[in-house]
Amino acid sequence: EVQLVESGGGLVKPGGSLRLSCAASGFTFSSYSMNWVRQAPGKGLEWVSSISSSSSYIYYADSVKGRFTISRDNAKNSLYLQMNSLRAEDTAVYYCARVCCSGTAFDIWGQGTMVTVSS
Amino acid sequence: DIQLTQSPSFLSASVGDRVTITCRASQGISSYLAWYQQKPGKAPKLLIYAASTLQSGVPSRFSGSGSGTEFTLTISSLQPEDFATYYCQQLNSYPFTFGGGTKVEIK
Repeated sequence: EVQLVESGGGLVKPGGSLRLSCAASGFTFSSYSMNWVRQAPGKGLEWVSSISSSSSYIYYADSVKGRFTISRDNAKNSLYLQMNSLRAEDTAVYYCARVCCSGTAFDIWGQGTMVTVSS
Repeated sequence: DIQLTQSPSFLSASVGDRVTITCRASQGISSYLAWYQQKPGKAPKLLIYAASTLQSGVPSRFSGSGSGTEFTLTISSLQPEDFATYYCQQLNSYPFTFGGGTKVEIK
């Protein structure tokens, strides 16, 4: 079964750090670009970051640039998001998602992991 | 950045109704548009990619059309399981952006 499973969420104080992981299974992970998308409580979807299959191309939303770092380990079929200098407005469910369809959609999504930034 | 404006933001409809949701892009995005369905507490589910291609396993009552700056998602006959929030997304250029969402509720 094609699957993405996120982990690493939790409660962290403002200014703190957290590292999210996304474990992929059921497909050739190294062949796909991957993304992080977040959703604040009661709000819409916000794209956070993208990484190409070989990590050659990396992009970030302005809201996280300089604070978050996306990476991947193709040998471990894993995607990561290192989040530093966390703010209250980073509170959200974080999803990892696979790019498909010649780059026209995200077809596989994880179940999400909740990050809460609060003192 | 490319802005996506979805309308309406809220829609009340009955089972069997034909429903149309519009997504307008602030600049041309060719056919780099996807539609997703999201139910409470769940991850988004891909319905349509490349503006008009139905994702495998998605019922044929869902259809997408458009290119450039104007796109629509149509549900030909609304079913009880279709009550959810729908989002469009552009993947033409970074930063990828989503529309604000359309919540479809039971009338």
